[in-house]
Amino acid sequence: AQKITQTQPGMFVQEKEAVTLDCTYDTSDPSYGLFWYKQPSSGEMIFLIYQGSYDQQNATEGRYSLNFQKARKSANLVISASQLGDSAMYFCAMRGSGNTPLVFGKGTRLSVIA
Amino acid sequence: DVKVTQSSRYLVKRTGEKVFLECVQDMDHENMFWYRQDPGLGLRLIYFSYDVKMKEKGDIPEGYSVSREKKERFSLILESASTNQTSMYLCASSHDSPGQGFYNEQFFGPGTRLTVL
Repeated sequence: AQKITQTQPGMFVQEKEAVTLDCTYDTSDPSYGLFWYKQPSSGEMIFLIYQGSYDQQNATEGRYSLNFQKARKSANLVISASQLGDSAMYFCAMRGSGNTPLVFGKGTRLSVIA
Repeated sequence: DVKVTQSSRYLVKRTGEKVFLECVQDMDHENMFWYRQDPGLGLRLIYFSYDVKMKEKGDIPEGYSVSREKKERFSLILESASTNQTSMYLCASSHDSPGQGFYNEQFFGPGTRLTVL
């Protein structure tokens, strides 16, 4: 079974600053995938970034990067140059071996301040 | 673009009513999922399906059932709605792509906010 822990219920960041959203995970699977989703106030879930457990490099997608530390079982999302439109709920998720559903954390609400 | 649609954005029902939440995807995805989202609890998996007429229980199946008669449609059924089922319900779908390893993005619908009075 997989478990995702997001310890920050809410965070504030100043516009144009960088912010790190924490995610730790637990799994007994030797291989797995890690995902981050964004959920604006409108409610839709937007896929942001993916990291495979055997990927050699940390994933990056535009202003999003994933700080993957396998030994510490952490997969933190880093958002650079925050924008007001980044204000949203952010969910970390993972899937293990086999065709299994994503398991989600409880989320972090990010508020970007002008 | 993948599109997942849900029959209603907002729904108000009374305790004891039978409630159907419909989800349709247009990308021929094999896998479909139902989650509920509650503040402070994140997304919790109710049921999922890997193929037509197949279903698997998720983490919180009690009080729910599902139906998948066609590949594109996955229905969530509340046999007798209760107030503790007031929640946001999210449907998702994904392609079964063993060759892509674990990169199997789930595409979500817009959600149905259900209120049970």
